[in-house]
Amino acid sequence: GAVVSQHPSWVICKSGTSVKIECRSLDFQATTMFWYRQFPKQSLMLMATSNEGSKATYEQGVEKDKFLINHASLTLSTLTVTSAHPEDSSFYICSAKTSGNQETQYFGPGTRLLVL
Amino acid sequence: AQSVAQPEDQVNVAEGNPLTVKCTYSVSGNPYLFWYVQYPNRGLQFLLKYITGDNLVKGSYGFEAEFNKSQTSFHLKKPSALVSDSALYFCAVRDMGTGRRALTFGSGTRLQVQP
Repeated sequence: GAVVSQHPSWVICKSGTSVKIECRSLDFQATTMFWYRQFPKQSLMLMATSNEGSKATYEQGVEKDKFLINHASLTLSTLTVTSAHPEDSSFYICSAKTSGNQETQYFGPGTRLLVL
Repeated sequence: AQSVAQPEDQVNVAEGNPLTVKCTYSVSGNPYLFWYVQYPNRGLQFLLKYITGDNLVKGSYGFEAEFNKSQTSFHLKKPSALVSDSALYFCAVRDMGTGRRALTFGSGTRLQVQP
């Protein structure tokens, strides 16, 4: 089956630093990847849709200058949390969509970010 | 706008008994429907999907779901629950009547299977 990896799986950083999270589709090409944020005991909230070779589409209320997304290849999308603050602490999950009519989103294992 | 409702925060069932996790949806066009399972501190694992065709969809780990257009439901079922099925389950929909490619998720239902 389709496998999506994320790196790192967890990160602790100081307030004000930037953190980069990588999302890779390991055995398929993904023209579209998605970034979600999940708060404890809550559902997934879509942050942005990442399109290979073009700008990401951000959901309402998500600061694009705060959460930089780069989708440089068909197998890699990165999310950079710039100048992280404690309120950015969360579980970040990416997904990659297979192409065609039988499309399915496959999710990465998530990255837990703790900003001190 | 598309939306998904999972009316139960938690479902408790005894091992060996059948289980049902409920999901209803609202879309403007035809729905693509999905079920995912999440274990603690992990990402989501794909269980099954309905795109078109048979209303009864079979998926991973013995799970199945029935698409009911008139009731706009897509309930997840399993004939005999296992303790290892205990996890958080999410229903999701993509509204093919819009240009939106992302999924909208329900709030999740925690399944607890007692031995």
